[in-house]
Amino acid sequence: KNEVEQSPQNLTAQEGEFITINCSYSVGISALHWLQQHPGGGIVSLFMLSSGKKKHGRLIATINIQEKHSSLHITASHPRDSAVYICAVKVIQGAQKLVFGQGTRLTINP
Amino acid sequence: EAQVTQNPRYLITVTGKKLTVTCSQNMNHEYMSWYRQDPGLGLRQIYYSMNVEVTDKGDVPEGYKVSRKEKRNFPLILESPSPNQTSLYFCASSLSPIIPATSPPRQYFGPGTRLTVL
Repeated sequence: KNEVEQSPQNLTAQEGEFITINCSYSVGISALHWLQQHPGGGIVSLFMLSSGKKKHGRLIATINIQEKHSSLHITASHPRDSAVYICAVKVIQGAQKLVFGQGTRLTINP
Repeated sequence: EAQVTQNPRYLITVTGKKLTVTCSQNMNHEYMSWYRQDPGLGLRQIYYSMNVEVTDKGDVPEGYKVSRKEKRNFPLILESPSPNQTSLYFCASSLSPIIPATSPPRQYFGPGTRLTVL
């Protein structure tokens, strides 16, 4: 079992829909990252969380440390949001390593 | 402009021919890291560096070397490339993750290097 699991693996929605992508992890972490990988391959860091909730524009990220779960929400989705969204956790044990989820491929149709 | 640059962006080479992928950042970041991305396996960390002259193995270090002689540069060296190292490689940097801060530091990613080893 992977230490970081994302769901769903693929998600197709219509423009305007509210999107939720989930990330569950099985290890102790010091921080969690949400990344966006564009169709061209470039990776952008969206959020880094260690607790609570963060909001940036139409994107909202939440984390529940007790439940070892994080969600990324997109409100009023748009075709330009189509990308792969990747969750990554900084494992708390010593080394400053990142462990990545498999990614969620999001397609927003006009 | 704050950025992480990688060179080359694309490389096709043959088994056993030593190669170096360069990574440079202009943000005075302490932390730098190399990742590879493969279909079905996602991103995996190869090596990381907490600061100059400090490097550590990630999850998949076999077949790779790194060095951190200067703060801005973190080259990835494949001494004897093999076909299983065909992959998309990303370099990233951030402020030190161990210095107390109100929020975990953001990672900046390079544009990626697509390597094919024949």
